Amino acid sequence: GAVVSQHPSWVICKSGTSVKIECRSLDFQATTMFWYRQFPKQSLMLMATSNEGSKATYEQGVEKDKFLINHASLTLSTLTVTSAHPEDSSFYICSAEGGGPTDTQYFGPGTRLTVL
Amino acid sequence: DQQVKQNSPSLSVQEGRISILNCDYTNSMFDYFLWYKKYPAEGPTFLISISSIKDKNEDGRFTVFLNKSAKHLSLHIVPSQPGDSAVYFCAARNYGGSQGNLIFGKGTKLSVKP
Repeated sequence: GAVVSQHPSWVICKSGTSVKIECRSLDFQATTMFWYRQFPKQSLMLMATSNEGSKATYEQGVEKDKFLINHASLTLSTLTVTSAHPEDSSFYICSAEGGGPTDTQYFGPGTRLTVL
Repeated sequence: DQQVKQNSPSLSVQEGRISILNCDYTNSMFDYFLWYKKYPAEGPTFLISISSIKDKNEDGRFTVFLNKSAKHLSLHIVPSQPGDSAVYFCAARNYGGSQGNLIFGKGTKLSVKP
């Protein structure tokens, strides 16, 4: 299957700093990328949908000024957590798809963010 | 309101037996369903999918059944292996409604005992 990578796989930062997470589709062009967040023992919650070259669409309750998403190319999307706080600590996962109606979303391995 | 429900948080099965994971949904506009497998601290791995125009899809040990009238789908794993132990997420999408994102159930933790 298609491969999606995320970098870094884990990050620890101080409160108030910003953290950037990269999501790359390695062997296919992703017209759409999605960013999810998973809390312990909970399902994946969609944060935003990102289409190449356009502004991301954020889900209700997700602060777009706090979680900046950039989809600069068909193979790269970035999520920047600005002025991170301990409550932002979570497991962030991206997924990518080619855009067809039956295209499968392929997930990255996730990024564990811990804000001290 | 949860549109995709996995009512069993956990399931324990003996190696070699069949594992049946269930999923119910409420939105009749969903047109594509997927099952993902997830290990702790890793991203979900795609397992198998089914379009709403089908009622069965099989891939090796994995078979997904869809009952549209009951808004129910199930994943069958046979024979179950210890390596199948993971959390399984059911997901649905409404692509026809221009919503390409997946809506996930809360997952079922499968434990396959040797």
